[in-house]
Amino acid sequence: AQSVAQPEDQVNVAEGNPLTVKCTYSVSGNPYLFWYVQYPNRGLQFLLKYITGDNLVKGSYGFEAEFNKSQTSFHLKKPSALVSDSALYFCAGNLITGGGNKLTFGTGTQLKVEL
Amino acid sequence: EAQVTQNPRYLITVTGKKLTVTCSQNMNHEYMSWYRQDPGLGLRQIYYSMNVEVTDKGDVPEGYKVSRKEKRNFPLILESPSPNQTSLYFCASNRIAGGYEQYFGPGTRLTVT
Repeated sequence: AQSVAQPEDQVNVAEGNPLTVKCTYSVSGNPYLFWYVQYPNRGLQFLLKYITGDNLVKGSYGFEAEFNKSQTSFHLKKPSALVSDSALYFCAGNLITGGGNKLTFGTGTQLKVEL
Repeated sequence: EAQVTQNPRYLITVTGKKLTVTCSQNMNHEYMSWYRQDPGLGLRQIYYSMNVEVTDKGDVPEGYKVSRKEKRNFPLILESPSPNQTSLYFCASNRIAGGYEQYFGPGTRLTVT
């Protein structure tokens, strides 16, 4: 079945350290992949997406993600975490080959950045 | 400002009392969608619409209805709410082609007692 998985419910990191939030997908074709962030009492905000081309995608607030087809992963990264990055992060994909509009979401990863 | 608005933001109601959550977008997007967010389950799609008068079921449509009479509006209707519909609801919109990011509303927290 087509799916998006976030294996970690929570990630803790110290401010200034690099962070990684993991995402893997399962699909027969080529997906479009997205990362969204949700702050408390807010809607989801788009961070970045992979459609095609360069496997390293840069997005908002210094975040980037690397698309790895062989490992079917799309991990979110940031070289130096900030306390203000603490939020709930969702990976999502248009898993229908060729695109489509339906987004399948992972279960979310709570990122906590501590001083 | 490009945005998706939802109303109300918070709603407490009783079992069986019909309610409507409104959603409106000002970006002329063709595609609109409703999700519910539950702890540990991520976001699950309830219904979506590809354009005016075109709607279809998502992954968890039971107990919900939608309509799309105008391009900008996509209300979610609960004809007879039940406690298992207590959740956080999000409306979203995007341009019709795949690969376009979705814009989300601020959410509606619904409690059904």
